[in-house]
Amino acid sequence: QSALTQPASVSGSPGQSLTISCTGTNSDVGRYYYVSWYQHHPGKAPKLMIYEVTNRPSGVPDRFSGSKSGNSASLTISGLQAEDEADYYCSSFTTSSTLVFGTGTKVTVL
Amino acid sequence: EVQLVESGGGLVKPGGSLRLSCVGSGFSFSSYSLNYVRQAPGKGLEWVSSISSTSGYIYYADSVKGRFTISRDNAKNSLYLQMNSLSAEDTAVYYCARDTKPTTVPDSFDVWGQGTTVTVSS
Repeated sequence: QSALTQPASVSGSPGQSLTISCTGTNSDVGRYYYVSWYQHHPGKAPKLMIYEVTNRPSGVPDRFSGSKSGNSASLTISGLQAEDEADYYCSSFTTSSTLVFGTGTKVTVL
Repeated sequence: EVQLVESGGGLVKPGGSLRLSCVGSGFSFSSYSLNYVRQAPGKGLEWVSSISSTSGYIYYADSVKGRFTISRDNAKNSLYLQMNSLSAEDTAVYYCARDTKPTTVPDSFDVWGQGTTVTVSS
């Protein structure tokens, strides 16, 4: 099972919006609504930001939103803040009954 | 406080074995599926294995199938990962993580441990 494809890096200025893409296949992202997004600061545990494509866990700001179309999913961060600078990973359940993560995207706040 | 605490990491020689443990507290441990996720140095996250609440459903990544065994003891609120035939490619920080809701398949993980480091080197 190959990792889902994400851009290596994206950047934006405070207050701006940015979108991270996550491209899979019809065996994972395209087949299921079990797509999640995680924020990972180096040296800390990953944090769940979005689950089941669009749902935000309690405590996650509504600046974070998710969507899916076909074999691709997206995470949008609106009103970018300095503390949003981190690595972000998508994940999806697969037809092999496994879970696959994305390649990861480093978000830089300029 | 809901938390997971891992232990058992360390330095092991290629071909060796190691057993990781993860203890949960602050929630109904026996109600949730649990997983191991790892991150090799400089690499991204990799899902390793999943076990359902009653151990009836167990899944592994192809990279560890046949070498790693996941298990749990709900009476002890504990999750385990027995790792055999280790190689340098298994060097990573290993996290245990709880599924967001009771499920039989790996889905989304809302509670994570702090991670334990496994280094495979001669």
